[in-house]
Amino acid sequence: EAEVAQSPRYKITEKSQAVAFWCDPISGHATLYWYRQILGQGPELLVQFQDESVVDDSQLPKDRFSAERLKGVDSTLKIQPAELGDSAMYLCASSSRPGLALPYEQYFGPGTRLTVT
Amino acid sequence: DAKTTQPTSMDCAEGRAANLPCNHSTISGNEYVYWYRQIHSQGPQYIIHGLKNNETNEMASLIITEDRKSSTLILPHATLRDTAVYYCIVRVETGTASKLTFGTGTRLQVML
Repeated sequence: EAEVAQSPRYKITEKSQAVAFWCDPISGHATLYWYRQILGQGPELLVQFQDESVVDDSQLPKDRFSAERLKGVDSTLKIQPAELGDSAMYLCASSSRPGLALPYEQYFGPGTRLTVT
Repeated sequence: DAKTTQPTSMDCAEGRAANLPCNHSTISGNEYVYWYRQIHSQGPQYIIHGLKNNETNEMASLIITEDRKSSTLILPHATLRDTAVYYCIVRVETGTASKLTFGTGTRLQVML
């Protein structure tokens, strides 16, 4: 069964350092999402891509976070500089192209757990 | 998207049915009800969805009240592996892919 791949699974970094996460969605999935999940809360969307274009980044802290999906396949989420409050699980999800399947189930990867010290 | 209300936690004995309620009293006519679950240290997993009618799949059943203001997810024979946080989400399907808005969910503990 096809899965969303993420790496690394765990990352410990010091505050003010740069950190990057990678996501490879299910093959053929046009939509890719990055969510952040703080301990004890549900995931919250940071950014959504349709192919290589950003369609929603309203909750992305753009002063320190950036995301790209250059070829419309895999994606990288970067934080620079990291702050203590960025400690969380970063989840990537993908869904198929609208019109091909309803109701657009999202498939999540295992996540990257970030600890900022 | 409409807001949902779920109990914080529930317990269920293994082998018994787990009935997880969700209130969505402000749901609109074109909003679907989705259920996802998240097992510890994993990403959320889709379970089931519905609009008006009751739905059943290999994982669970979804019962939606006639007025659509609440729903119940039923796991017919809960096992220890069903211990997870269960999220009830309502979302409009507009023909374009859109985000899921998660609440804090119900933490289900299945016990021996």
